[in-house]
Amino acid sequence: EADIYQTPRYLVIGTGKKITLECSQTMGHDKMYWYQQDPGMELHLIHYSYGVNSTEKGDLSSESTVSRIRTEHFPLTLESARPSHTSQYLCASSEPDRANEKLFFGSGTQLSVL
Amino acid sequence: AQSVAQPEDQVNVAEGNPLTVKCTYSVSGNPYLFWYVQYPNRGLQFLLKYITGDNLVKGSYGFEAEFNKSQTSFHLKKPSALVSDSALYFCAVRDTGGGNKLTFGTGTQLKVEL
Repeated sequence: EADIYQTPRYLVIGTGKKITLECSQTMGHDKMYWYQQDPGMELHLIHYSYGVNSTEKGDLSSESTVSRIRTEHFPLTLESARPSHTSQYLCASSEPDRANEKLFFGSGTQLSVL
Repeated sequence: AQSVAQPEDQVNVAEGNPLTVKCTYSVSGNPYLFWYVQYPNRGLQFLLKYITGDNLVKGSYGFEAEFNKSQTSFHLKKPSALVSDSALYFCAVRDTGGGNKLTFGTGTQLKVEL
């Protein structure tokens, strides 16, 4: 059972609001990731981190930002939400220095921007 | 650049029959290959992986996958499908020479009916 948690599970907000999606893991993993997924569609990597104070943009351009101040915490922020940001956001982590290691995923945050 | 193709958006199988979910990949080096499953309103769960060695890999819930280097394929199989196997299945690849990013396919919806 994966020890990676995302909150909130569902979020409905109005356009222009600032939001932060939380992701925490208790496995001590250095590597963490944010993926964006539209319903029944492929996952797109939007951010990743290889450790504290390390953040990189992923393959899909995103207006969101991330921070990694603590190993266990990797929040994603949208300064001004828009309807185009409506999607599911999945957080994941993996063990360090093992390129072949599997990802552990949280249950996701389903974001709807009205 | 690495890529993954899942040619079928949906696969329908009768319970008790064998199932196959197809996946082909493209990498510049040697591949690390993965299958993940996503149940409704849940995050992804790891099923199995191929790193090296035996081409037939066994994973969770009775699933297995066969690595075929000449056909650059990694099809997911199960000898006898269950209704509870109905879910969205993702194939993923990581290029051993291309860093740590995982590329996912577009997903295949498996529907197992009585």
